[in-house]
Amino acid sequence: TQLLEQSPQFLSIQEGENLTVYCNSSSVFSSLQWYRQEPGEGPVLLVTVVTGGEVKKLKRLTFQFGDARKDSSLHITAAQPGDTGLYLCAGAWGGGGSNYKLTFGKGTLLTVNP
Amino acid sequence: NAGVMQNPRHLVRRRGQEARLRCSPMKGHSHVYWYRQLPEEGLKFMVYLQKENIIDESGMPKERFSAEFPKEGPSILRIQQVVRGDSAAYFCASSPRDRALLAKNIQYFGAGTRLSVL
Repeated sequence: TQLLEQSPQFLSIQEGENLTVYCNSSSVFSSLQWYRQEPGEGPVLLVTVVTGGEVKKLKRLTFQFGDARKDSSLHITAAQPGDTGLYLCAGAWGGGGSNYKLTFGKGTLLTVNP
Repeated sequence: NAGVMQNPRHLVRRRGQEARLRCSPMKGHSHVYWYRQLPEEGLKFMVYLQKENIIDESGMPKERFSAEFPKEGPSILRIQQVVRGDSAAYFCASSPRDRALLAKNIQYFGAGTRLSVL
């Protein structure tokens, strides 16, 4: 069974601060997704990374995939109250027939205070 | 372009009743996945379906749970004789036929059905 660890579990910061959340596994991912989930809603896809060392940017969000494809980070610059939410990473392992199964971390609950 | 539609959003059942959850994938998507999110836990894969086929149901409890994706109409997750431990949020996701996107495992989620068993 592949496990996916996210840290920190909770993060409360002031508006304008920077932050980084982490996603780690002992296994190599075939792909990794970051989602954001708000209370009472479903996860919304932010980004997918598949290549080791890949960096993707989405406005103030920067996503990095580790060279060995075992870990990933999400960095938010100048956080705003609208960034508040649960950030989930989800990984798939193995090629071919079984890499459709997403395994989710428990998430990082981010609160950005005005 | 409508997203993944799930209904009902909230469902209350008494122990022993049946719960039926519906999911209409995004237009053009033919792959459907069901996940369950228990309180204080991450989302867990349950089942993967294509039209009229169950591809992988390894995450489904062996008893009382079933899923289908008929040729016409939405995908249905059925829970018979519900128990309190079935209370959770159930999410459906879909992905397109495009092989490049399938290879990246891109899945789009609905808003979920919150099941409460009294």
